[in-house]
Amino acid sequence: SQQGEEDPQALSIQEGENATMNCSYKTSINNLQWYRQNSGRGLVHLILIRSNEREKHSGRLRVTLDTSKKSSSLLITASRAADTASYFCATDSKTSYDKVIFGPGTSLSVIP
Amino acid sequence: NAGVTQTPKFRVLKTGQSMTLLCAQDMNHEYMYWYRQDPGMGLRLIHYSVGEGTTAKGEVPDGYNVSRLKKQNFLLGLESAAPSQTSVYFCASRATGSGPSSYNEQFFGPGTRLTVL
Repeated sequence: SQQGEEDPQALSIQEGENATMNCSYKTSINNLQWYRQNSGRGLVHLILIRSNEREKHSGRLRVTLDTSKKSSSLLITASRAADTASYFCATDSKTSYDKVIFGPGTSLSVIP
Repeated sequence: NAGVTQTPKFRVLKTGQSMTLLCAQDMNHEYMYWYRQDPGMGLRLIHYSVGEGTTAKGEVPDGYNVSRLKKQNFLLGLESAAPSQTSVYFCASRATGSGPSSYNEQFFGPGTRLTVL
């Protein structure tokens, strides 16, 4: 499987701190995406980074991609209690870009 | 514009019963997906479709069938439900685009919580 795997599985921080989550995958990809899921809800797209990009920003989110290490990181700066959610990375593959495979996710708790 | 909707929201089945989950999208998206989510395992791809009349297997297709007779609808069927199929099922869709350079985000439905006793 070319499923991504997030690290850590769970993360608890204080409001205002930065949160970093990592994702590793197994096969070459075209795109990597990060999604967020609030408890009991569907997933919401956060950001997409292409294989020829190394870094991307969106508001308080910063995503990096290292294709040589087959890894990505999601940084949430100045976290808020409302950022409490599960975060998933999702990848396609060079040979099957129609399929999108998700990792097991990181559960983030931001304590007010 | 409702986005992606799923019917039903909750369902309890007995082992051996059958049912169909309906996913509908009003964004004219070509691609549609069915995932299941189990605790600690993220989302696993069951089946997907790249257009009306087409379907393909994902990571965990066994025990499920799908149909895409209309572009806006993607049906997931369980012919003989088993307790191992107790899960939350999510449908997603994304815009068309051939080739990896035109990839777009997926839009998810709210999920269907299925319990098989």
